[in-house]
Amino acid sequence: EPEVTQTPSHQVTQMGQEVILRCVPISNHLYFYWYRQILGQKVEFLVSFYNNEISEKSEIFDDQFSVERPDGSNFTLKIRSTKLEDSAMYFCASSEGEGVDQHFGDGTRLSIL
Amino acid sequence: AQSVTQPDIHITVSEGASLELRCNYSYGATPYLFWYVQSPGQGLQLLLKYFSGDTLVQGIKGFEAEFKRSQSSFNLRKPSVHWSDAAEYFCAVVWTTDSWGKFQFGAGTQVVVTP
Repeated sequence: EPEVTQTPSHQVTQMGQEVILRCVPISNHLYFYWYRQILGQKVEFLVSFYNNEISEKSEIFDDQFSVERPDGSNFTLKIRSTKLEDSAMYFCASSEGEGVDQHFGDGTRLSIL
Repeated sequence: AQSVTQPDIHITVSEGASLELRCNYSYGATPYLFWYVQSPGQGLQLLLKYFSGDTLVQGIKGFEAEFKRSQSSFNLRKPSVHWSDAAEYFCAVVWTTDSWGKFQFGAGTQVVVTP
């Protein structure tokens, strides 16, 4: 069964550094999403992306965050200047149709020191 | 305000016993409802979903859920739990007045299965 893959599985970064989290969505999917889960808290929506532009973003997704689909297969989340509170598990998801049956990756655990 | 509530943070159940996980939502709009399961170190796997129609929906791994509009609930059930069902379970909602993809998740229920 096709999977959403995320790399790396664990990223450790110094505060203030830029970090890029990578995702390879399922190949025929057109809609892409990022979520995050701070330890012990809910999974929170960050952003949705379709047709090379952001469809919707949450209030968490401020100017420090950006998303990109640099080629036909990757979907990336960039955090420009990381803060301690950015430490979380970040999940990428993709869906064939809008919102329907989102398939999630295993996540990237981001630790900010 | 829109909200999704999973009242039980943690449930312990014996293998072979039945399981019910509660999910309640609060908002005026019609919800689309989902249950996801997360095993340790894994991503979120969709168990089942409800959009419309029959209010009792069947999912994978022997799970089912029932949508009750009058109670604003979408409880997940399994008649006989297996040790492999130990995981965290998340209820999620998309409001029909929202754009698709903006899932709102509950806080999760951790299920422990004892022998």
